Amino acid sequence: AQKVTQAQTEISVVEKEDVTLDCVYETRDTTYYLFWYKQPPSGELVFLIRRNSFDEQNEISGRYSWNFQKSTSSFNFTITASQVVDSAVYFCALSEAQTGANNLFFGTGTRLTVIP
Amino acid sequence: KAGVTQTPRYLIKTRGQQVTLSCSPISGHRSVSWYQQTPGQGLQFLFEYFSETQRNKGNFPGRFSGRQFSNSRSEMNVSTLELGDSALYLCASSAEALHEQYFGPGTRLTVT
Repeated sequence: AQKVTQAQTEISVVEKEDVTLDCVYETRDTTYYLFWYKQPPSGELVFLIRRNSFDEQNEISGRYSWNFQKSTSSFNFTITASQVVDSAVYFCALSEAQTGANNLFFGTGTRLTVIP
Repeated sequence: KAGVTQTPRYLIKTRGQQVTLSCSPISGHRSVSWYQQTPGQGLQFLFEYFSETQRNKGNFPGRFSGRQFSNSRSEMNVSTLELGDSALYLCASSAEALHEQYFGPGTRLTVT
């Protein structure tokens, strides 16, 4: 069965600090996709990144970076030099290719608060 | 391109009533998925429609149903509402299976 675990329920950092959000997943499928979404107070989920199971290269996009390690079934997300606008709930999600469909399994989310 | 739109944004219903929520996907997207978000259960997948066919369904009772029209717009219906159906219902659209999904602002349903 599939499962996504985000052990950190809430994190608070001071502006300009770096912060890493952890995500551990479980799946029996050999082909799968991992995602990160941001949910600001407005409620709308904002897509951040999609990564397939065959691509373990780390990715950097501005202040955001992602570390995907199949050996530890982890897909961690780091924000460098955090800003107040980064305050939101962040969700990690998994989609399995065997379903052939858009069915995202979400973690419980990590609420990030950036203190000015 | 316009994003995913959902109507209405807020809804208050009474137990036992039924409700219909609407979702318009991003132009060109044929897949529409629905999710329920509650404080207790988090984000849970309801169902997905692709080219007017339900392609996948989550673990929800038959009171939850949906459909998709030829223009890819989708509706979901909840019959015989229960207090536990109070939630934020999110719709997402995607160009293809397993691609990134883009979410709408959601419909906040309150059942009293």
